[in-house]
Amino acid sequence: DAGVTQSPTHLIKTRGQHVTLRCSPISGHKSVSWYQQVLGQGPQFIFQYYEKEERGRGNFPDRFSARQFPNYSSELNVNALLLGDSALYLCASSLPSKETQYFGPGTRLLVL
Amino acid sequence: SQQGEEDPQALSIQEGENATMNCSYKTSINNLQWYRQNSGRGLVHLILIRSNEREKHSGRLRVTLDTSKKSSSLLITASRAADTASYFCATDLDNNNDMRFGAGTRLTVKP
Repeated sequence: DAGVTQSPTHLIKTRGQHVTLRCSPISGHKSVSWYQQVLGQGPQFIFQYYEKEERGRGNFPDRFSARQFPNYSSELNVNALLLGDSALYLCASSLPSKETQYFGPGTRLLVL
Repeated sequence: SQQGEEDPQALSIQEGENATMNCSYKTSINNLQWYRQNSGRGLVHLILIRSNEREKHSGRLRVTLDTSKKSSSLLITASRAADTASYFCATDLDNNNDMRFGAGTRLTVKP
């Protein structure tokens, strides 16, 4: 079975632009979470979606938004990019029990 | 904000030795998990220990949990060069919907 997939793998943007990152969960997983990992730090929780509803939100500004589609794939949108948004963005999917999360390979975003 | 804090930040050992990493957290939890990450790639789930468990084994991994001290340890026995990676603890907070990760321990196993 395919694991969690994310696209694109790498992305370069300039300040002020917006970006859309995509994630496809493991088949049968209805919960998707997004994390930001800045170099040298652990992942920080951004959003969790379950059955297309937002179930949790971390301490991120409103420039960050996400949604989940009927097929349980998800998009993370970031507007008005800042240099500090440069990071590895990780998507994870899980079963409704939300215990073990399975991570994708991430999208590495560089903001210049 | 980060919930867990791993200790040490970096650890370098020889192949065959044991590696012990510690994690401390701040609030009550449902469970604690350990993940591994190679070279800034995706995280791989290693082991989950619930708040009512004290010790768990999986292959060469041994995890302990002390809820009174709000701490956990991960022991990797008979380490191999392939164990070189960053190791993170993550706590599933009580009545919450997110996992909180620490900053990680970078383990280097020299052949």
